[in-house]
Amino acid sequence: ETGVTQTPRHLVMGMTNKKSLKCEQHLGHNAMYWYKQSAKKPLELMFVYNFKEQTENNSVPSRFSPECPNSSHLFLHLHTLQPEDSALYLCASSQEDGGSYEQYFGPGTRLTVT
Amino acid sequence: GQNIDQPTEMTATEGAIVQINCTYQTSGFNGLFWYQQHAGEAPTFLSYNVLDGLEEKGRFSSFLSRSKGYSYLLLKELQMKDSASYLCAVTDSNYQLIWGAGTKLIIKP
Repeated sequence: ETGVTQTPRHLVMGMTNKKSLKCEQHLGHNAMYWYKQSAKKPLELMFVYNFKEQTENNSVPSRFSPECPNSSHLFLHLHTLQPEDSALYLCASSQEDGGSYEQYFGPGTRLTVT
Repeated sequence: GQNIDQPTEMTATEGAIVQINCTYQTSGFNGLFWYQQHAGEAPTFLSYNVLDGLEEKGRFSSFLSRSKGYSYLLLKELQMKDSASYLCAVTDSNYQLIWGAGTKLIIKP
């Protein structure tokens, strides 16, 4: 595997379900991100992990719970979601050394909440 | 507040040239990125500008004017595969990436 991978690619879940999204980066980067992408809206940064420590949580509802067990893996645990949470969830990674660096994105998980 | 503006959609003809504009108002500036995103796929990096001027990379060029809070992405010799969304993003004074909503580019034969 190369780059950033995400599983599953598609997920349909009911509002009472619990599911998890998985992201893995094979680039040796030290920072990982979760984004939400809705149609015709800017990418919304949800969480940032730098060296496995969460450094950003942009007022995301508690029904989204991130987990970063090591610098290569990132999870997003989902529970009691709402229909408006349906979106494309993108994971990204970068090498953060105090400057501006390009982010490498995974293909995303298309989430539908019914 | 912080804001990135870019047109929602543009249409161009195969073989032609198209310019996609991006204006920004952010708290500080540490660089501007352009990404390409095909439908159903991940965004991929195209260019990065931190100093004023034009950066050329094959058929794609990106221009930056920091004093005007303005950038554009220029695509030459358009091909059908260039049909995609083009995302403008600015790194602010805290090195946070602020994203535009993207410009959907439609290429017609």
